[in-house]
Amino acid sequence: QSALTQPPSASGSPGQSVAISCTGTSGDVGTYDYVSWYQHHPGKAPKLMIYEVNKRPSGVPDRFSGSKSGNTASLTVSGLQAEDEADYYCSSYAGSAYFIVFGGGTKLTVL
Amino acid sequence: QVQLMQSGAEGKEPGASVKVSCKASGYTFTNYGISWVRQAPGQGLEWMGWISPLNGNTNYPQKFQGRVTMTTDTSTSTVYMELRSLKSDDTAVYYCARDNWNSFDPWGQGTLVTVSS
Repeated sequence: QSALTQPPSASGSPGQSVAISCTGTSGDVGTYDYVSWYQHHPGKAPKLMIYEVNKRPSGVPDRFSGSKSGNTASLTVSGLQAEDEADYYCSSYAGSAYFIVFGGGTKLTVL
Repeated sequence: QVQLMQSGAEGKEPGASVKVSCKASGYTFTNYGISWVRQAPGQGLEWMGWISPLNGNTNYPQKFQGRVTMTTDTSTSTVYMELRSLKSDDTAVYYCARDNWNSFDPWGQGTLVTVSS
Protein backbone atom coordinates (compact mmCIF):
# COMPACT_ATOMS: atom_id res chain seq x y z
CA GLN A 1 0.00 0.00 0.00
CA SER A 2 1.36 3.38 -1.06
CA ALA A 3 1.82 6.08 1.51
CA LEU A 4 0.02 8.71 -0.59
CA THR A 5 -3.39 8.04 -2.13
CA GLN A 6 -4.09 8.80 -5.78
CA PRO A 7 -7.06 7.80 -7.92
CA PRO A 8 -6.02 4.92 -10.18
CA SER A 9 -7.35 6.62 -13.29
CA ALA A 10 -8.42 9.95 -14.72
CA SER A 11 -9.51 11.00 -18.17
CA GLY A 12 -10.48 13.95 -20.29
CA SER A 13 -10.97 14.96 -23.89
CA PRO A 14 -8.45 17.04 -25.82
CA GLY A 15 -8.62 20.66 -24.73
CA GLN A 16 -10.29 19.90 -21.43
CA SER A 17 -8.81 20.20 -17.97
CA VAL A 18 -8.33 17.37 -15.50
CA ALA A 19 -7.21 17.39 -11.88
CA ILE A 20 -5.44 14.52 -10.12
CA SER A 21 -5.49 14.41 -6.34
CA CYS A 22 -2.83 13.14 -3.95
CA THR A 23 -3.91 12.65 -0.36
CA GLY A 24 -1.42 12.20 2.45
CA THR A 25 -1.35 12.99 6.12
CA SER A 26 -0.19 15.68 8.50
CA GLY A 27 3.13 13.83 8.54
CA ASP A 28 3.87 14.49 4.89
CA VAL A 29 1.73 16.55 2.48
CA GLY A 30 0.05 18.46 5.28
CA THR A 31 3.28 19.69 6.83
CA TYR A 32 5.89 19.98 4.09
CA ASP A 33 5.81 22.00 0.89
CA TYR A 34 7.97 19.40 -0.82
CA VAL A 35 5.31 17.85 -3.03
CA SER A 36 6.42 16.84 -6.51
CA TRP A 37 4.64 15.40 -9.52
CA TYR A 38 6.17 13.11 -12.15
CA GLN A 39 4.98 12.11 -15.60
CA HIS A 40 5.89 8.57 -16.60
CA HIS A 41 5.44 7.15 -20.05
CA PRO A 42 5.90 3.35 -19.89
CA GLY A 43 9.37 2.29 -20.86
CA LYS A 44 10.82 5.76 -20.38
CA ALA A 45 12.33 7.59 -17.44
CA PRO A 46 9.93 9.56 -15.24
CA LYS A 47 9.95 13.32 -15.78
CA LEU A 48 9.60 16.00 -13.11
CA MET A 49 6.58 18.19 -13.86
CA ILE A 50 6.00 20.08 -10.60
CA TYR A 51 8.16 20.55 -7.51
CA GLU A 52 7.62 22.29 -4.17
CA VAL A 53 3.85 22.05 -4.64
CA ASN A 54 3.45 24.52 -7.51
CA LYS A 55 6.77 25.25 -9.23
CA ARG A 56 7.43 24.19 -12.80
CA PRO A 57 10.88 23.18 -14.01
CA SER A 58 12.16 24.90 -17.10
CA GLY A 59 10.62 23.39 -20.20
CA VAL A 60 7.43 22.10 -18.61
CA PRO A 61 4.38 23.70 -20.27
CA ASP A 62 2.33 26.08 -18.14
CA ARG A 63 -0.65 23.82 -18.84
CA PHE A 64 0.62 21.87 -15.84
CA SER A 65 -0.02 23.39 -12.42
CA GLY A 66 0.08 22.22 -8.84
CA SER A 67 -1.62 23.19 -5.61
CA LYS A 68 -2.14 21.99 -2.07
CA SER A 69 -4.85 22.29 0.55
CA GLY A 70 -4.41 20.63 3.90
CA ASN A 71 -3.30 17.04 3.43
CA THR A 72 -4.23 16.92 -0.26
CA ALA A 73 -2.16 18.08 -3.22
CA SER A 74 -3.43 18.34 -6.76
CA LEU A 75 -2.01 18.37 -10.26
CA THR A 76 -4.10 20.10 -12.89
CA VAL A 77 -3.50 19.59 -16.58
CA SER A 78 -5.24 22.19 -18.72
CA GLY A 79 -5.77 22.07 -22.46
CA LEU A 80 -5.25 18.31 -22.57
CA GLN A 81 -3.15 17.01 -25.43
CA ALA A 82 -2.65 13.48 -26.67
CA GLU A 83 0.94 13.43 -25.44
CA ASP A 84 -0.24 14.08 -21.88
CA GLU A 85 -1.51 10.49 -21.72
CA ALA A 86 0.79 8.86 -19.17
CA ASP A 87 1.04 7.73 -15.57
CA TYR A 88 1.39 10.50 -13.01
CA TYR A 89 2.93 10.07 -9.57
CA CYS A 90 3.00 12.44 -6.64
CA SER A 91 5.65 12.37 -3.96
CA SER A 92 6.19 14.17 -0.69
CA TYR A 93 8.91 14.61 1.87
CA ALA A 94 7.76 12.85 5.02
CA GLY A 95 10.28 13.86 7.63
CA SER A 96 13.43 12.17 8.83
CA ALA A 97 11.74 8.84 9.59
CA TYR A 98 10.22 8.09 6.20
CA PHE A 99 11.97 10.69 4.00
CA ILE A 100 10.23 10.39 0.60
CA VAL A 101 6.88 8.74 -0.05
CA PHE A 102 5.14 8.23 -3.37
CA GLY A 103 1.55 7.89 -4.42
CA GLY A 104 0.35 4.78 -6.20
CA GLY A 105 0.09 6.58 -9.52
CA THR A 106 -2.78 7.76 -11.73
CA LYS A 107 -3.19 6.67 -15.31
CA LEU A 108 -4.32 9.69 -17.33
CA THR A 109 -6.19 8.84 -20.51
CA VAL A 110 -6.86 11.43 -23.21
CA LEU A 111 -10.10 10.33 -24.82
CA GLN B 1 23.13 18.60 -20.63
CA VAL B 2 22.54 16.95 -17.27
CA GLN B 3 22.47 13.22 -17.76
CA LEU B 4 22.48 10.06 -15.68
CA MET B 5 23.53 6.84 -17.40
CA GLN B 6 22.85 3.54 -15.70
CA SER B 7 24.38 0.12 -16.14
CA GLY B 8 22.65 -2.62 -18.09
CA ALA B 9 20.04 -5.19 -17.17
CA GLU B 10 20.89 -7.88 -14.64
CA GLY B 11 19.58 -11.36 -14.00
CA LYS B 12 20.16 -12.78 -10.53
CA GLU B 13 19.17 -15.81 -8.51
CA PRO B 14 17.39 -15.49 -5.16
CA GLY B 15 19.82 -14.78 -2.36
CA ALA B 16 22.36 -13.09 -4.60
CA SER B 17 23.36 -9.44 -4.69
CA VAL B 18 23.19 -6.88 -7.46
CA LYS B 19 25.14 -3.67 -7.91
CA VAL B 20 23.79 -1.02 -10.27
CA SER B 21 25.82 2.00 -11.35
CA CYS B 22 24.71 5.51 -12.27
CA LYS B 23 27.20 7.82 -13.99
CA ALA B 24 26.46 11.55 -13.84
CA SER B 25 27.51 14.17 -16.36
CA GLY B 26 26.73 17.76 -17.25
CA TYR B 27 26.84 19.23 -13.74
CA THR B 28 29.03 19.46 -10.64
CA PHE B 29 28.66 15.96 -9.22
CA THR B 30 29.15 16.89 -5.57
CA ASN B 31 26.50 19.63 -5.61
CA TYR B 32 23.51 17.28 -5.64
CA GLY B 33 22.47 14.11 -3.89
CA ILE B 34 21.37 11.03 -5.80
CA SER B 35 18.27 9.03 -4.90
CA TRP B 36 17.32 5.56 -6.04
CA VAL B 37 13.73 4.65 -6.90
CA ARG B 38 12.37 1.34 -8.12
CA GLN B 39 9.25 0.19 -9.91
CA ALA B 40 8.16 -3.42 -9.71
CA PRO B 41 6.06 -4.80 -12.59
CA GLY B 42 2.59 -3.29 -12.50
CA GLN B 43 3.39 -1.35 -9.35
CA GLY B 44 4.11 2.25 -8.45
CA LEU B 45 7.33 4.03 -7.59
CA GLU B 46 9.20 3.25 -4.37
CA TRP B 47 12.00 5.38 -2.89
CA MET B 48 15.00 3.31 -1.80
CA GLY B 49 17.32 5.89 -0.36
CA TRP B 50 19.71 8.79 -0.96
CA ILE B 51 23.41 9.46 -0.98
CA SER B 52 25.39 12.67 -0.89
CA PRO B 53 28.35 12.53 -3.31
CA LEU B 54 29.89 15.37 -1.30
CA ASN B 55 30.49 13.41 1.87
CA GLY B 56 29.01 9.94 1.34
CA ASN B 57 26.18 10.46 3.83
CA THR B 58 23.23 8.17 3.21
CA ASN B 59 19.58 7.92 4.20
CA TYR B 60 17.70 4.66 3.80
CA PRO B 61 14.06 3.99 4.64
CA GLN B 62 13.55 1.32 7.25
CA LYS B 63 12.34 -1.19 4.66
CA PHE B 64 15.77 -1.33 3.02
CA GLN B 65 18.07 -0.74 5.98
CA GLY B 66 20.58 -3.56 6.28
CA ARG B 67 19.98 -4.77 2.74
CA VAL B 68 20.97 -1.78 0.58
CA THR B 69 24.23 0.11 0.35
CA MET B 70 24.79 3.22 -1.73
CA THR B 71 28.30 4.41 -2.48
CA THR B 72 29.90 7.07 -4.60
CA ASP B 73 33.10 7.46 -6.63
CA THR B 74 33.81 11.13 -7.15
CA SER B 75 36.73 10.38 -9.50
CA THR B 76 34.27 9.00 -12.07
CA SER B 77 31.10 10.85 -10.98
CA THR B 78 29.42 7.51 -10.41
CA VAL B 79 27.00 6.35 -7.74
CA TYR B 80 26.43 2.69 -6.97
CA MET B 81 23.46 0.93 -5.39
CA GLU B 82 23.95 -2.58 -4.05
CA LEU B 83 20.97 -4.66 -2.97
CA ARG B 84 21.66 -7.92 -1.13
CA SER B 85 19.69 -11.07 -0.32
CA LEU B 86 17.59 -10.66 -3.43
CA LYS B 87 14.06 -12.06 -3.51
CA SER B 88 11.68 -12.52 -6.40
CA ASP B 89 9.75 -9.42 -5.40
CA ASP B 90 12.92 -7.36 -5.89
CA THR B 91 12.35 -7.82 -9.61
CA ALA B 92 11.93 -4.25 -10.78
CA VAL B 93 13.29 -1.41 -12.85
CA TYR B 94 15.73 0.55 -10.71
CA TYR B 95 16.23 4.26 -11.37
CA CYS B 96 18.74 6.75 -10.10
CA ALA B 97 17.74 10.40 -10.03
CA ARG B 98 19.42 13.66 -9.14
CA ASP B 99 17.93 14.86 -5.89
CA ASN B 100 17.31 18.59 -5.57
CA TRP B 101 15.63 19.27 -2.26
CA ASN B 102 13.36 16.25 -2.37
CA SER B 103 12.46 16.44 -6.05
CA PHE B 104 14.09 14.22 -8.63
CA ASP B 105 15.36 15.62 -11.92
CA PRO B 106 16.58 14.16 -14.16
CA TRP B 107 16.25 10.40 -13.90
CA GLY B 108 18.48 7.72 -15.35
CA GLN B 109 17.12 5.46 -18.06
CA GLY B 110 16.45 2.64 -15.62
CA THR B 111 18.02 -0.78 -15.05
CA LEU B 112 15.91 -3.92 -15.11
CA VAL B 113 16.86 -6.38 -12.39
CA THR B 114 15.23 -9.78 -12.69
CA VAL B 115 15.40 -12.18 -9.76
CA SER B 116 14.57 -15.72 -10.69
CA SER B 117 15.83 -19.22 -10.13
